[in-house]
Amino acid sequence: GDSVTQMEGPVTLSEEAFLTINCTYTATGYPSLFWYVQYPGEGLQLLLKATKADDKGSNKGFEATYRKETTSFHLEKGSVQVSDSAVYFCALFNGGATNKLIFGTGTLLAVQP
Amino acid sequence: KAGVTQTPRYLIKTRGQQVTLSCSPISGHRSVSWYQQTPGQGLQFLFEYFSETQRNKGNFPGRFSGRQFSNSRSEMNVSTLELGDSALYLCASSFDPSGSSYNEQFFGPGTRLTVL
Repeated sequence: GDSVTQMEGPVTLSEEAFLTINCTYTATGYPSLFWYVQYPGEGLQLLLKATKADDKGSNKGFEATYRKETTSFHLEKGSVQVSDSAVYFCALFNGGATNKLIFGTGTLLAVQP
Repeated sequence: KAGVTQTPRYLIKTRGQQVTLSCSPISGHRSVSWYQQTPGQGLQFLFEYFSETQRNKGNFPGRFSGRQFSNSRSEMNVSTLELGDSALYLCASSFDPSGSSYNEQFFGPGTRLTVL
């Protein structure tokens, strides 16, 4: 079945450091890919998405490119801030009359001042 | 517009009891999905309701059930609670007017269930 694999956390960075969180997927067909963020005590918020190969999703300085050849959707940010500390989830949607998302296990990011 | 609300936010139960969690979607949204979040398993899909009908179901035992009302509010029930049911239960709603394709989901803050 479809699945998403994320790098293990926690990831600890200093403020203004470069961030990469790896995400790879296994799916038939052409899934849509997402990054969600969960701040402490809150639900998930959609951070960015890409619906087809070579699409780049971007939001709040975060970017991810849908790479079908490597089945990857890595999250990057050039300069992280303390306020970016959160858990980040990679997810996919693979069609059908449903809104079911398949999530990775999440990666905790801790940014230190 | 109010977001997705979930009640209660925190719940403590003992093994063998049952529990009902509630989710009120964003006004106008017709699809409601439930997910279980645990440190070991991450986020796992429980089920989805659309127009009062269960449209999709994850791989959970029959102790987990749900329903959706005509106003799109949804409840999920867990009977005969086990220690392993301790988790954050997240509800998500989406507009989905036609019921035929993915619509962005908006998540509630979750209900933290602890089973002792």
